[in-house]
Amino acid sequence: QQQVRQSPQSLTVWEGETAILNCSYEDSTFNYFPWYQQFPGEGPALLISIRSVSDKKEDGRFTIFFNKREKKLSLHITDSQPGDSATYFCAASGGTNTGKLTFGDGTVLTVKP
Amino acid sequence: EAAVTQSPRNKVTVTGGNVTLSCRQTNSHNYMYWYRQDTGHGLRLIHYSYGAGNLQIGDVPDGYKATRTTQEDFFLLLELASPSQTSLYFCASSDAHAEQFFGPGTRLTVL
Repeated sequence: QQQVRQSPQSLTVWEGETAILNCSYEDSTFNYFPWYQQFPGEGPALLISIRSVSDKKEDGRFTIFFNKREKKLSLHITDSQPGDSATYFCAASGGTNTGKLTFGDGTVLTVKP
Repeated sequence: EAAVTQSPRNKVTVTGGNVTLSCRQTNSHNYMYWYRQDTGHGLRLIHYSYGAGNLQIGDVPDGYKATRTTQEDFFLLLELASPSQTSLYFCASSDAHAEQFFGPGTRLTVL
């Protein structure tokens, strides 16, 4: 059973539009949710994260919306730029103090100019 | 800034071959991780470690061994490589419940 699910698998938007990437999880003990951005040929890098005590986290054009009751998150990228074209991973951890993250399968975002 | 390096960056071996992937971090992080990344599967955790001499089993450990010799160094060992282990391997380091910093990856091909 996959613990973290992402949708859609791929998404194409035009420059300037808002891209919405979705994530859901199964384990109610998860309390830390980072989003990682990965460009081709590179390792993933932390983009933005949220803890379950919050329902929203903003960082510039990137915003996480978190619904604990429904176990769902979404990443909104406003004013999308071609440079935002990358794969985005939702991850989750919590419960035991292991630092272990469970990753979703990723969403490939393409921003067309 | 966090620095995680991996070697080699590319490796080709044959079925049944012996492979060691190396990872070094210079940020005094206690936690280190080995992942594999395959199309359609995202990042899957193979093994991880809390510190030198410690080893924890991840979600896809079969066919892999790991060893953490120092706080800085974490190795992934494939003693009898199989074609199913052809993948992109990432190492990462972190403190607990904190950002994981990833290396640049090692692309392994098992013929």
